[in-house]
Amino acid sequence: KAGVTQTPRYLIKTRGQQVTLSCSPISGHRSVSWYQQTPGQGLQFLFEYFSETQRNKGNFPGRFSGRQFSNSRSEMNVSTLELGDSALYLCASSSTSGGKNIQYFGAGTRLSVL
Amino acid sequence: AQSVTQLGSHVSVSEGALVLLRCNYSSSVPPYLFWYVQYPNQGLQLLLKYTSAATLVKGINGFEAEFKKSETSFHLTKPSAHMSDAAEYFCAVSANQAGTALIFGKGTTLSVSS
Repeated sequence: KAGVTQTPRYLIKTRGQQVTLSCSPISGHRSVSWYQQTPGQGLQFLFEYFSETQRNKGNFPGRFSGRQFSNSRSEMNVSTLELGDSALYLCASSSTSGGKNIQYFGAGTRLSVL
Repeated sequence: AQSVTQLGSHVSVSEGALVLLRCNYSSSVPPYLFWYVQYPNQGLQLLLKYTSAATLVKGINGFEAEFKKSETSFHLTKPSAHMSDAAEYFCAVSANQAGTALIFGKGTTLSVSS
């Protein structure tokens, strides 16, 4: 079974631009969560989508948004990029059926904002 | 609000020595606790999780953790360190059993010397 796939792996953008990151979950997983990892703030939860609906949301400004498609693939968008948005963005998928309840993480997208 | 605190940002052990990584949690409800490991340039991998079924939880790669409610702790241990255990370890708490919407500690980097 293929793991969680995040594309692209690396991105370089400039301040003020917007960016879209993509996440393909493990087949059959309906929950997708996004996290931001920075040296200063560590790992922070952005949001979770389940069956195309946002189910949980972290404490991030409205510039950060996401969506989930009917095939469970998810995208995360950051508008008006700031230098502080430079980070590793991790996506995780999980299945809530059968008591498995384990989050599987992708390798991440490393975003650099110049 | 739920939170976790990892004591010690860096732990160094010799190969074959006991590994002890400390985690204390704060939760107003029964917590669902997790330990994840992150190798360089990779995503997170679940080591083990506590969901109230048993206080001593065994995970992968010989790791285990004991939930102690009286001490609000969930420390990670391994009897004998191996060079391949060198990585960053994260303790996390979730408000739901699905393990989504995780709140992570700051992480502990484990170094193993020969």
